[in-house]
This record gives sequence, C-alpha cells and structure tokens, in this order.
Amino acid sequence: GQQVMQIPQYQHVQEGEDFTTYCNSSTTLSNIQWYKQRPGGHPVFLIQLVKSGEVKKQKRLTFQFGEAKKNSSLHITATQTTDVGTYFCAGSSGGSYIPTFGRGTSLIVHP
Amino acid sequence: NAGVMQNPRHLVRRRGQEARLRCSPMKGHSHVYWYRQLPEEGLKFMVYLQKENIIDESGMPKERFSAEFPKEGPSILRIQQVVRGDSAAYFCASSPRGDFTDTQYFGPGTRLTVL
Repeated sequence: GQQVMQIPQYQHVQEGEDFTTYCNSSTTLSNIQWYKQRPGGHPVFLIQLVKSGEVKKQKRLTFQFGEAKKNSSLHITATQTTDVGTYFCAGSSGGSYIPTFGRGTSLIVHP
Repeated sequence: NAGVMQNPRHLVRRRGQEARLRCSPMKGHSHVYWYRQLPEEGLKFMVYLQKENIIDESGMPKERFSAEFPKEGPSILRIQQVVRGDSAAYFCASSPRGDFTDTQYFGPGTRLTVL
C-alpha cells in the first residue's frame, strides 16, 4: 500500500532560524495536503498542492510539490514560538479519497 | 458557523467496557472520516462514511469496532470490550464533497483512556 514518509521526526531550532520538513511518497500522488497540530490540539488544514512543481506561500511558510509528484516540503522562514507544533503531510493517490498521513515533524522553537 | 464537534472530549473506560464516540460534522458536510492517533504518531485512517453508508472501512479493526452515520444525528464510532491498546486520541473529520481535492476539517478529538 501507499506509504508516506516524513523527516525529520523532531526539529529543535532557535527562534529566528529557518525550518524545513520533507515528505516522500512511495507512489505518485494526486495531491498533497499539509496540516499543523498544536500540542494537545487537533490537526488544522494549512494548504493543498495539486500541480506538479507547484509552489505556494503563506506569509513565512513556503510549500512545494515535486515535479514527479512524489515529494513535498514545507519551509518556515524565521521561526517564531507560535510555530511550535507538529506538521503533517497527507497524500492521496490512485483515485482514493482517503489521504495517507506521514508521521509528522514536531517543531520545537527555543526563545 | 460551528466547526466539527466531537464528544466527549475525554473518556475513561475500564477494560471490557464499551466506548461510544460521537462526531457532528460541519454544517453542509455529508462526508465523515475517523482517525486514530497514538502518542507521537501520525493519524491512522479508520473509516469513511457518508450519510447512512460506510464507504471505506479498510482501516478499522475487524472485531470490536463499528461505525455508523445515520440519516439523523451524529456519526458514532463504537468500540466494544475495550482493551488498553485502544487508548488513543480519536479524531473525526468532515468534508463537503468527498473527492480527492476536498479539505478535511478536524474536530477537537476524543481522548480515550482504558484503565
């Protein structure tokens, strides 16, 4: 079955440093979605990428979808303490409506 | 505009008891998904339902677990004869269309603890 790998599992940064998490799929994806979950909270939708090579920005967050539609990344510029949480990617493929979630990258920002 | 609602938020059960988790989707959403999350792990898909129909239950254990989404009322995830390994956060999500471009909106989750 489809597998979605996400690295790193944890990332500690000093406030102001950049952060990147990577997502890799074993199969070609129809789309990829990114979610953020604060400690003790629930996943909150951030963005969806559909097109090969697509790049989208939300303020300090930049999302990329690979040309082969098998990998994606989320980059945060100049992290803030409010960025703390776990970032999940979730990909769908093969006409399935059910996304497969990666295990997430937990971001810890030290002030 | 209320979001996805789940109750209870916390549920404690002893081994062998039954757990019933409820999910009310966002207004206008007829597609509901249930996920289980173990500590420091990702979300594992369990079941996808539309009103009165189970569309995909490939992620749900064959025994003790069942789900429904009746014509009226919330979706219910039922776990019979709970065991300690059932302790987890159970999240419900809803979406408007059920196609692959849909956005899933998650509820606050039910944290189940089995003693």
